[in-house]
Amino acid sequence: DTAVSQTPKYLVTQMGNDKSIKCEQNLGHDTMYWYKQDSKKFLKIMFSYNNKELIINETVPNRFSPKSPDKAHLNLHINSLELGDSAVYFCASSQDRAGGQGSYGYTFGSGTRLTVV
Amino acid sequence: GQNIDQPTEMTATEGAIVQINCTYQTSGFNGLFWYQQHAGEAPTFLSYNVLDGLEEKGRFSSFLSRSKGYSYLLLKELQMKDSASYLCAVRDSGGYQKVTFGTGTKLQVIP
Repeated sequence: DTAVSQTPKYLVTQMGNDKSIKCEQNLGHDTMYWYKQDSKKFLKIMFSYNNKELIINETVPNRFSPKSPDKAHLNLHINSLELGDSAVYFCASSQDRAGGQGSYGYTFGSGTRLTVV
Repeated sequence: GQNIDQPTEMTATEGAIVQINCTYQTSGFNGLFWYQQHAGEAPTFLSYNVLDGLEEKGRFSSFLSRSKGYSYLLLKELQMKDSASYLCAVRDSGGYQKVTFGTGTKLQVIP
């Protein structure tokens, strides 16, 4: 019974293609996030949604577009993929917009390893 | 903005104690998290500090000094399965309380 599930786990695609990554959480959390982890393992926030409202939008190319149809889902669509987009993308959720109050923190999905060739 | 520093790598012996340090500079502070990430897996939440002092959870403890912008994660009775990266993350006090991660410390536990 996975709490935060992402699909696909692996994605290999050619430059210029458009792809989507899906994320769903069954924890009843209000806030969801997309993070990118590069080859040096640096985990950087991209977007955050609170109850379907975009609340954090970091300096990310506009080729990346998040979509949240409801508070349990946050998908990431990437247009015109580039070599530099190769990374692991993590979806996460928390009980509130503060990154997890008290002792809960984030719950992360298992990640999507995107390789652009 | 936030700046978070951690050592890149550490090695420690099974059964020993290891301390992983984290220093941060932030324009506003509202809590510090530690996460564990095994290779090829997702980060998992370990601890949270918002007030000065030590928080203990079994073999793991985390300490915070807000005036010094300093935290450490203490791992006792090291086990081989503790080999992982340990990520320090700071939450700011702005309206959206963004959480920024450090680059992580890769810990190798040797027999």
